[in-house]
Amino acid sequence: GQQVMQIPQYQHVQEGEDFTTYCNSSTTLSNIQWYKQRPGGHPVFLIQLVKSGEVKKQKRLTFQFGEAKKNSSLHITATQTTDVGTYFCAPGNTGKLIFGQGTTLQVKP
Amino acid sequence: GAGVSQSPSNKVTEKGKDVELRCDPISGHTALYWYRQSLGQGLEFLIYFQGNSAPDKSGLPSDRFSAERTGGSVSTLTIQRTQQEDSAVYLCASSRAGGSRTEAFFGQGTRLTVV
Repeated sequence: GQQVMQIPQYQHVQEGEDFTTYCNSSTTLSNIQWYKQRPGGHPVFLIQLVKSGEVKKQKRLTFQFGEAKKNSSLHITATQTTDVGTYFCAPGNTGKLIFGQGTTLQVKP
Repeated sequence: GAGVSQSPSNKVTEKGKDVELRCDPISGHTALYWYRQSLGQGLEFLIYFQGNSAPDKSGLPSDRFSAERTGGSVSTLTIQRTQQEDSAVYLCASSRAGGSRTEAFFGQGTRLTVV
């Protein structure tokens, strides 16, 4: 299956600052998904990216898929305390669903 | 059902005992996954079912772990002779198709504590 490196592992920001997490693969991905897990909760699907260079927005969240389909990013503009949690990417795979190591975001009010 | 259901939500067991964790996926979802998540850690893949068959058991940590799925629906994860290092949250997820082609829905998890 596909392996990815997700960075950073942790990020502490002041409320209102921006945040970005990156998911990098050494091989070309067919697609990529992003999930969010709130503290004490279970992962929840955010989005799926399929096309090279694709950019999708959900309110303050912007998701990008690289031109070479080897990397992806999630950018949050003007973080809020409700953004706290761990963000996981899941690289394209036709079989098992595997996840990156996750980026844990802490937001200081 | 409306979502993925896991039971029990919490389980405390004595070291050496066997435990059985249950996952009831969303109706019609052919793919089912089990993960283990230790405190503050990521999602460790355990096993994947497509229908009733398990094409990938590569994540099972040892031969004390086994899983089955019957009728293309309910799945049970069995841990024999539990050890303290088995303590974790066990998450189940299901999706309409395998891999990351479709959205995966997670259950609330079973928190296992081995004392």
